[in-house]
Amino acid sequence: AQSVTQLGSHVSVSEGALVLLRCNYSSSVPPYLFWYVQYPNQGLQLLLKYTTGATLVKGINGFEAEFKKSETSFHLTKPSAHMSDAAEYFCAALAGNRDDKIIFGKGTRLHILP
Amino acid sequence: EPEVTQTPSHQVTQMGQEVILRCVPISNHLYFYWYRQILGQKVEFLVSFYNNEISEKSEIFDDQFSVERPDGSNFTLKIRSTKLEDSAMYFCASRIGGAYGYTFGSGTRLTVV
Repeated sequence: AQSVTQLGSHVSVSEGALVLLRCNYSSSVPPYLFWYVQYPNQGLQLLLKYTTGATLVKGINGFEAEFKKSETSFHLTKPSAHMSDAAEYFCAALAGNRDDKIIFGKGTRLHILP
Repeated sequence: EPEVTQTPSHQVTQMGQEVILRCVPISNHLYFYWYRQILGQKVEFLVSFYNNEISEKSEIFDDQFSVERPDGSNFTLKIRSTKLEDSAMYFCASRIGGAYGYTFGSGTRLTVV
């Protein structure tokens, strides 16, 4: 069965520092992969997605993620954190076969330190 | 950009009451979904709907839940007799096919008191 693991339920970085949020997936087929951001009391906003093609995916707000099949990873990065990046981030996967539900990780809350 | 619209944004209901959550998917999308997020937890799949029938449902989606696409535009989730543990954010989603255009609504926060 498809699963998504996010390492670290809470990550704190200083403003201006590198953001790295880790995500690993397990799948018997190459999945489609997503990162969503959720601000308090709000819905899910798609940051970026990997479907096919280039493995380095650029998203909104300066975020990017790299699909590494050999490591079954899809880590999210941003070179320089901003206070407005403080939110919950969810990694998610869609198997891409008959199974069409998106499986979410448990989420990582990103804290930005001034 | 096309959006999935959910109404209401917040609903409070008394335990035991029926509640209907409404969604308007993107017009040319063919697959429809409901997901749930209990406060502080991850987003969980509830049900998928295609060609006017349920294609898959999770263990959460028991007999108290039902879905309907009554008029070709709306997609509703009904909870027949709400329980306190049904309090959550409910997200509707739709897609046209594959991973392309898989779009979530902004959610309805259901509070059962």
